[in-house]
This record gives sequence, structure tokens and C-alpha cells, in this order.
Amino acid sequence: DGGITQSPKYLFRKEGQNVTLSCEQNLNHDAMYWYRQDPGQGLRLIYYSQIVNDFQKGDIAEGYSVSREKKESFPLTVTSAQKNPTAFYLCASSIRQFNTDTQYFGPGTRLTVL
Amino acid sequence: LAKTTQPISMDSYEGQEVNITCSHNNIATNDYITWYQQFPSQGPRFIIQGYKTKVTNEVASLFIPADRKSSTLSLPRVSLSDTAVYYCLVGPSGGYNKLIFGAGTRLAVHP
Repeated sequence: DGGITQSPKYLFRKEGQNVTLSCEQNLNHDAMYWYRQDPGQGLRLIYYSQIVNDFQKGDIAEGYSVSREKKESFPLTVTSAQKNPTAFYLCASSIRQFNTDTQYFGPGTRLTVL
Repeated sequence: LAKTTQPISMDSYEGQEVNITCSHNNIATNDYITWYQQFPSQGPRFIIQGYKTKVTNEVASLFIPADRKSSTLSLPRVSLSDTAVYYCLVGPSGGYNKLIFGAGTRLAVHP
């Protein structure tokens, strides 16, 4: 059963704690992405990775960190430096189709800071 | 990356055809147009993608005029389960796609 998995679905953390969100894909996609979504808003890009051991900052990277040690995995760490971390976090991966890249999304992780 | 403009919300009734239009006046020559559907607390789901003219799949049709400055997503005979937010995105070809999501169109289908 191919797809993108994110865990956990719900996550609670106390202020000042770092927390890591998992994203795994078995689609053999090269590129992976992390987005943040706030209520009633669209998605905003945090980080993306085109290949293993390489990643680039998106539009709102401050307070976040990532790693890409394996093609299948792209974990996101929300650090204590992120001022307003409560949000819905979405991971995606993409494959080249018809000269453009189509992104496919995971189910998301809802992070709540207590 | 081209910016898109969509209606904030739309209402329809079961069994009707729904057309959501997206404006992208500064679309580049190599840009494709992609539509996603998102239900509450779920990740966006790819619906359809096109470059020009008309594209149809089992879920929807996408109409793109010759000047490509707009596009229309057509959902035939909607049901209550089509209630969702629909995003129109325009992105470059030939490279990894930094998608820009606006607020989307919130479609409410009524009985």
C-alpha cells in the first residue's frame, strides 16, 4: 500500500520543548516538502528537499529544522524558537509528470502547544 | 511564481454542476495549472492538472482558454461529499514545484 504517512496525528507539547514530526513515503519520490496550515488559511512552505542530504528553506523556515538522511524520510523538528507553533503540519512528496512536478500530501499532524 | 485569484466561497446543491474559476494573469509560458481538494483536518488531494484546452478525468474537468490567464474547474453532479476547499495553483515546469497556496475556494454543497 503506497503512500505518505505522518505520525503522530495529534501532538501536544509544552512551551520550550522541541518536538519532531515524522514523514515517511514509499512512493520512491525524490522531492519532499513540509507545509504549515493555520485555520482558514492556505498552506505555507517551511522546508523542501530535492534529494537526499540536501534541503532548502521555504518561506517560513525560522524555528524549524529538517534532515534528509534517507530518500523515504523527511522529519521536521519544531524548536522552542518557533514563536507560534500550534498549527496543522503537512508533508508532501513529488514526482515529475509531464514536465512538471505533482505533489502528493500526507494526512497531516496537528500540533498543539499547551 | 504566478499568483492566483479564486472566489472565497461558493454554494451549490446536490446534483448540480459546479464551476470554480481561477484567475492567473501573469502565468508563465511553462507553467502548469493544478487543482487540489482539501477536507478539514486532511492533506490536500490532487484533482487535476493541465496546460491548455481541456483536461478530463474521472473526478473533474479543467478548462483552460487559449490565453491561459484563467482556468475553470468543473465538478459534475456534486454531492454532499464534495464539500471542501479547492485550491488552484500555478507552477513552473522543469523544476521542483514551490507551490503557493492561497486561501482557496470553500465549496458548500447543500441537500
